[in-house]
Parts: sequence; structure tokens; C-alpha cells
Amino acid sequence: NAGVMQNPRHLVRRRGQEARLRCSPMKGHSHVYWYRQLPEEGLKFMVYLQKENIIDESGMPKERFSAEFPKEGPSILRIQQVVRGDSAAYFCASSPSGTNGNTIYFGEGSWLTVV
Amino acid sequence: AQSVTQLGSHVSVSEGALVLLRCNYSSSVPPYLFWYVQYPNQGLQLLLKYTTGATLVKGINGFEAEFKKSETSFHLTKPSAHMSDAAEYFCAVSGYNQGGKLIFGQGTELSVKP
Repeated sequence: NAGVMQNPRHLVRRRGQEARLRCSPMKGHSHVYWYRQLPEEGLKFMVYLQKENIIDESGMPKERFSAEFPKEGPSILRIQQVVRGDSAAYFCASSPSGTNGNTIYFGEGSWLTVV
Repeated sequence: AQSVTQLGSHVSVSEGALVLLRCNYSSSVPPYLFWYVQYPNQGLQLLLKYTTGATLVKGINGFEAEFKKSETSFHLTKPSAHMSDAAEYFCAVSGYNQGGKLIFGQGTELSVKP
């Protein structure tokens, strides 16, 4: 049973370009979460999605960032007009449901470097 | 609102010594508490979690943690450290109706000396 799959694992973008990070949840999981880990910091919650729905986006920056989880295909975190401060590791996680205290399973992460 | 504080960003122990990583939380609702481990350039792996019931929780790799409501703590322990335990450890909290939305502490880097 494959785990949470993220790609690309490493991405380099120039300032002003767009970054797209993809996440395929574990089989049978319909809930996806995105977290960001800045250097020397813990993980910060960004967004929580179900298929075709954004459940909680309280951690998303107000501009340039968006996320989707379509009916078919992976979840995508999109960062427009990247800046150096966007350089970070972005982790996707998934769970089979939104049950209280649910365990969420993390992918290996996507490391974004903005030059 | 919820928050997590991990005391000590770096902890160093000798191989075979007790491991104690501290975590205190703040939550306005009954908390669900987690410990995750992260090895370099990898994702997070669940060590253990507390939801309800027994306050002493046993996890993988010989780790355990005890939920103490009166102290708002969920410290992680292991009786005897192994070299392979060297990693970053994160404590996290979630609450009712939050699904998998976790609030993480800053992390504690554990070093194990031979």
C-alpha cells in the first residue's frame, strides 16, 4: 500500500515564477492537509481539503497561495510569483476521514528553493 | 486556541541513557496529542498519540508518553537511547472537530552520543 506521494521532491524556481506541488493521498484517503516547514522551524498548518472542498484554509497566506483537491487526480498546492521567503519544505498529509483524533500520514515532502 | 511548547530545541543524551523530551500544550477543548519523529530530509512518522482512555501511551521504537491534564503536559520518554533515535521530534495537538489539523511545537533535535 503506497504511502502519501509528493512530487516533485525538489523544485527550484526563480523569483516571480510559479511553483506547483502535487500530492497523491494514501489509497482510500479522502482528506488532505498541507503543512509548511521553514528552516529551523516546526510545521505550520496551511490548508485542509476534502475532494472538491476546502475545509479549513486558515493557515494559507492571503495572496499568491492556493490549493485544490479535485474529484480526480492529486491535490495541488500552487504558489504564484514566488519570493525567497517561500523557500521551505512543503509536506502533504492524508487521512481516511476527519474523525476527531485521527492519525494523519505524511509524505516525504517537497523542498522548494527560490533563487 | 491551541498551542504547543517544546522545552529545549536540542537535547543530547548518551547511548543507553534515559530520553526525556518535554511538551506542554494549551487547549480550550479536550486535546488530542501526538508525537512525531522526523529523520533528515524525510517526512514525519507517528510515534504515538493520545485520544482518550489510558493516559500512559506506548508507541513504536520503545517510546512512551504520559498525558497529565493537571500539568498540561505530554512528555515523551524512552528508557534507553539508541544511536538510531537521533532525529527531530515534534509534539502536536488537535481538538474536537478539527480532523487532521495539527498544531505543532517547534521541535526538539535529539542527539545520541556513543
